[in-house]
Amino acid sequence: NAGVTQTPKFQVLKTGQSMTLQCAQDMNHEYMSWYRQDPGMGLRLIHYSVGAGITDQGEVPNGYNVSRSTTEDFPLRLLSAAPSQTSVYFCASRGGPRDNYGYTFGSGTRLTVV
Amino acid sequence: TQLLEQSPQFLSIQEGENLTVYCNSSSVFSSLQWYRQEPGEGPVLLVTVVTGGEVKKLKRLTFQFGDARKDSSLHITAAQPGDTGLYLCAGASIHGYTGNQFYFGTGTSLTVIP
Repeated sequence: NAGVTQTPKFQVLKTGQSMTLQCAQDMNHEYMSWYRQDPGMGLRLIHYSVGAGITDQGEVPNGYNVSRSTTEDFPLRLLSAAPSQTSVYFCASRGGPRDNYGYTFGSGTRLTVV
Repeated sequence: TQLLEQSPQFLSIQEGENLTVYCNSSSVFSSLQWYRQEPGEGPVLLVTVVTGGEVKKLKRLTFQFGDARKDSSLHITAAQPGDTGLYLCAGASIHGYTGNQFYFGTGTSLTVIP
């Protein structure tokens, strides 16, 4: 089925370790975003991209890096994991800049940093 | 910075009752979206409203965008157990030079008891 695929679904890291959360979409969407979801905080924007080679920071970018070398892929890198990065991470894509384009979300990656 | 506040945070009702969920902000948004999220999954788009005062109906769900485009409401008539989930509003705000980005509310967790 077409959509947004995130891997892994679950991950446990030790403080200081690095890792990459993978995100791929097959809908040829230009816009892709990474959000983290914490209890009582809703979804907060980490980084986003409006096309291959173009990325920008969201609300909570510290500790995370992104790159967009292709339209399909938008990986999120944790440079040195900290317990404060324990969260559920969602990747999402949308077809364009117009307001009526809704996001298609992946099923999420649940990350625990110990 | 949390731009959108939702109320109530939790809601538990009996099947057949009506309910309203509110999404409020001091910021003006160019459009607003509502999503529903089930456990272990990403949010799924329900509706987008783009004009101040706009009302949209989706079966038993009625969505309204405030005249000043700062607030929105979701009304469910005759709630059913299948309506159970986390309801999220998301406002579109001009972000830098790269176009609109959506900022999510804190969420309303709805439980409909059979």
